[in-house]
Amino acid sequence: LAKTTQPISMDSYEGQEVNITCSHNNIATNDYITWYQQFPSQGPRFIIQGYKTKVTNEVASLFIPADRKSSTLSLPRVSLSDTAVYYCLVGEAGTGRRALTFGSGTRLQVQP
Amino acid sequence: SQTIHQWPATLVQPVGSPLSLECTVEGTSNPNLYWYRQAAGRGLQLLFYSVGIGQISSEVPQNLSASRPQDRQFILSSKKLLLSDSGFYLCAWLHQDRVGNEQFFGPGTRLTVL
Repeated sequence: LAKTTQPISMDSYEGQEVNITCSHNNIATNDYITWYQQFPSQGPRFIIQGYKTKVTNEVASLFIPADRKSSTLSLPRVSLSDTAVYYCLVGEAGTGRRALTFGSGTRLQVQP
Repeated sequence: SQTIHQWPATLVQPVGSPLSLECTVEGTSNPNLYWYRQAAGRGLQLLFYSVGIGQISSEVPQNLSASRPQDRQFILSSKKLLLSDSGFYLCAWLHQDRVGNEQFFGPGTRLTVL
């Protein structure tokens, strides 16, 4: 399984753009990159997923360089409600165990 | 639409007592199901996953076990709880399509072992 490395914590202020980078040097050809958000006492919630280049949805953008050894989650204009733990996951789009494995995540604290 | 249920929501158990946590999924058939544990302030640890009835794969050797008696039912058990079993237990199912995959999580069970 490809191991992921991301910062333990980040601080930001309301209205700023936040970029969280994740390293996954051993990513395999069939692996997708997925980001989840988790609030205290809740299960993680899917944010975005991509394979290469750039993916954008209504809440975030995901930038993946050509070598796919890293990825950056971009949250535009964060608010206090974006304070959460963000997980970067790398896994095969298949069945069973290799689907997704969670690391320790990045704790984002948004200040007013 | 698919929904995932877990119960109980919270549980306080003495050391050495048995455990049974239940997870059920609605609105999908033959889902891949997962049990995770999250210790306070830590990331998620994958405990078990199942790709079908009676098919259980264990990720971490410990005093916990899992069973899948029905297609949409996943049960986490222990015969004798340890203090280290305290944590937030999450059940999840895997949605797959041609684009990729996504795990949907239940509300979780907060277990405290005293």
